[in-house]
Amino acid sequence: EDQVTQSPEALRLQEGESSSLNCSYTVSGLRGLFWYRQDPGKGPEFLFTLYSAGEEKEKERLKATLTKKESFLHITAPKPEDSATYLCAVQVAGGTSYGKLTFGQGTILTVHP
Amino acid sequence: GAVVSQHPSRVICKSGTSVKIECRSLDFQATTMFWYRQFPKQSLMLMATSNEGSKATYEQGVEKDKFLINHASLTLSTLTVTSAHPEDSSFYICSAGKYWGGSNQPQHFGDGTRLSIL
Repeated sequence: EDQVTQSPEALRLQEGESSSLNCSYTVSGLRGLFWYRQDPGKGPEFLFTLYSAGEEKEKERLKATLTKKESFLHITAPKPEDSATYLCAVQVAGGTSYGKLTFGQGTILTVHP
Repeated sequence: GAVVSQHPSRVICKSGTSVKIECRSLDFQATTMFWYRQFPKQSLMLMATSNEGSKATYEQGVEKDKFLINHASLTLSTLTVTSAHPEDSSFYICSAGKYWGGSNQPQHFGDGTRLSIL
């Protein structure tokens, strides 16, 4: 069974304190790994797609990396506006529903000023 | 980025009422739309996958007669919660994706519908 596990469940940082979020996955065949940001009462906002081990993507203070077993979302010098729930999702090769995503439970990030 | 509009954003209604939620992809043609349900402090749970012009594929445990999905065009899908009861109260989110020739573009999400059944 495909599984996605995110850690930690919650992370509190001071403004400027860099850290990383982890997404571990066990799938039969990875087609893509996606990172989303979700603010309270809103739908997820797309951040990155990673397709193969060794790939990295960057956007402002965020950097996503991928290995064969996990992905990291690195946050450099975070600001209070980076506070949100960060969701990791995998798209599995094959299957009956093309494009279907399996989500992790998310990491709730709080950045204090 | 791509824009997906979901309407209404909030619904409060009496038990036994049927509620329709619309999901529109505003700036691209979505071959596939997905419907999720999200409970407080939990992640997204996929309910069904809908391809334009085809019957929706429901996840295990999701009642297809309870949650009717229509995907009549490449820009519009609807979810109807029939004879809603308090246990159907939840946050419902749609997403849209465009999959041509084996591509795996990211899903883009609407802002969700908060459904409260009294």
